[in-house]
This record gives sequence, structure tokens and C-alpha cells, in this order.
Amino acid sequence: AQTVTQSQPEMSVQEAETVTLSCTYDTSESDYYLFWYKQPPSRQMILVIRQEAYKQQNATENRFSVNFQKAAKSFSLKISDSQLGDAAMYFCAYRGSDMRFGAGTRLTVKP
Amino acid sequence: EAGVAQSPRYKIIEKRQSVAFWCNPISGHATLYWYQQILGQGPKLLIQFQNNGVVDDSQLPKDRFSAERLKGVDSTLKIQPAKLEDSAVYLCASRRPGRGELFFGEGSRLTVL
Repeated sequence: AQTVTQSQPEMSVQEAETVTLSCTYDTSESDYYLFWYKQPPSRQMILVIRQEAYKQQNATENRFSVNFQKAAKSFSLKISDSQLGDAAMYFCAYRGSDMRFGAGTRLTVKP
Repeated sequence: EAGVAQSPRYKIIEKRQSVAFWCNPISGHATLYWYQQILGQGPKLLIQFQNNGVVDDSQLPKDRFSAERLKGVDSTLKIQPAKLEDSAVYLCASRRPGRGELFFGEGSRLTVL
């Protein structure tokens, strides 16, 4: 079964600074998607960014970008110019033959 | 486009009672998922439907949990009888054919006393 590992239970960043959240995964599949989801406290899970495994170019969405290293099975999320509204749980997720989530990283943004 | 709808948002029950959660996915989304999210943890897949067929229910505790999606649209997740450890948020998500990402509902928070 595919596994997703987020090794940072908590991270903290100063407002306007940059932070990187780590994610590794294990799979024998060649065709899959990777995602970062954001879950604010008591609120809905929303998609931050997605990456198709066949694409070599790293995905970017405004202040959010990923570093996708397929051979290393690594998929980190970089948040630039952090804002107070970025504070949330961030989940790395894998979708191939099934959909799996990591345990999450709680991001705190300090004003 | 309307999002994934779930109800109820909150439910408190005594152990050994039963509870049912309802989910209406985004129109046209053939794939529907139910996840259990215990506080402080990532979502755990309970069951995945493709239209009205079950794709994966390997982590569904079938002695107490059941789910159905009779007409390939909305779905119901039932727990009977509930245990204390079932206290969690139950998330429903849907996905359109060929697209990667899941769209989530707001979740149903269950407290078992």
C-alpha cells in the first residue's frame, strides 16, 4: 500500500518569511498525483496545489510552489511571503490506485 | 458550482447508539469517498465508490460501519453501534472522472459519550 510521511508535526514561520513543509511517499506505481491540502481550524479541507507525476516541471500557485523529486519520492511545499491566513494544518496526499494522506503539519504564522 | 454537501454538521450520541451521515457530491462527480479524521490526525479512507459500486472498503470496520450509494449520487454512512473511539470528523469528498483532486465537504463531527 502507498504511504505518505510528513516528518514535521509542527512548523512556525514569521509573517512575510518563507517556509518549506516536507513530504515523502512510497509507491511502486508510475502514474499518480500528489497534492497539498490546507485545513484551517474547524474548516473545510481545500486544495492548495497539485502535481502530476509525469510532469517534470514543479507546480506553482501564486505564493505556493512545490519541489517534486520523483526519484527520491519527495514532494515539499514552499510558502513564500507567509501570511497570517496561511496558518492551518497542511496535508500531503497521494492519489494513484487509492488516495492516502499524511499525518499533517501544523503551521503557525507569527505576526 | 455547488460544493460537496454534508449533514449533519454535528452529532452527539451515547455509545451503542446509531448514527447516519449524508453526503451529496458535486454534480457529475462519479467518485465519492468517505474519510474518518480523528483529532490531530490525517484523514483515513473508509470507503470509495465509483458511481454506485464500491472500489475500496478495506479499512471500513464492517462489523459496525456501513455505507451505500444507491443511485450513484448521494451517499449515506452509518455507524451501529457506536463506540467511544468513533469520535471523529467524517469527511465526504468527490472527484470528477479523469481529474486528480478531491473536493471536500465541511465534514460531520461525531462525539460519542
